[in-house]
Amino acid sequence: ETGVTQSPTHLIKTRGQQVTLRCSSQSGHNTVSWYQQALGQGPQFIFQYYREEENGRGNFPPRFSGLQFPNYSSELNVNALELDDSALYLCASSLEGGQGTDTQYFGPGTRLTVL
Amino acid sequence: QKEVEQDPGPLSVPEGAIVSLNCTYSNSAFQYFMWYRQYSRKGPELLMYTYSSGNKEDGRFTAQVDKSSKYISLFIRDSQPSDSATYLCAMSAVRGGADGLTFGKGTHLIIQP
Repeated sequence: ETGVTQSPTHLIKTRGQQVTLRCSSQSGHNTVSWYQQALGQGPQFIFQYYREEENGRGNFPPRFSGLQFPNYSSELNVNALELDDSALYLCASSLEGGQGTDTQYFGPGTRLTVL
Repeated sequence: QKEVEQDPGPLSVPEGAIVSLNCTYSNSAFQYFMWYRQYSRKGPELLMYTYSSGNKEDGRFTAQVDKSSKYISLFIRDSQPSDSATYLCAMSAVRGGADGLTFGKGTHLIIQP
């Protein structure tokens, strides 16, 4: 069974740029959630994708957007980067519906630094 | 007041001690409760998942949920230096977390050999 993978591991961008982060869900999972974790804080929910549609969203502005693909992998796009966007971005996958436990399993994260 | 309160620590205990980690919350709609362990610069790892009130045991770990008091706990028996990490409580109102998991800040635990 393959766990959740994320790429890249680290990324450095400058203010105003755009960034795309990628996530491959755990084998057999159909739902992906994205979180932002600032240093010393717990993860904050950005949004969740199920069947290629946004299924829920946290308190993040529209410049945070996402996609889910037919193979259940996902992208997080952030436009007009701000210094406060510097954080660890975590992807979590889960299995909704059917016999799944629906618990979320996290990847290792992408550390984004905005200069 | 934050939705989930968790003492950030650090909490330092000797090897072999029983560790008690706690979270309080304010949203009575929360029904699903989780504990994650996060090592430095890694993603959170699921330790325990509990629905509604009650106790759940898995090896050295016991999770307790008291919805009437809006209080959850994680106990670690026979603590080991490898248990040194940040422990995050998380909870949601909706099965599957479509409303997003709400996390505490995490408690930094240090087990002294």
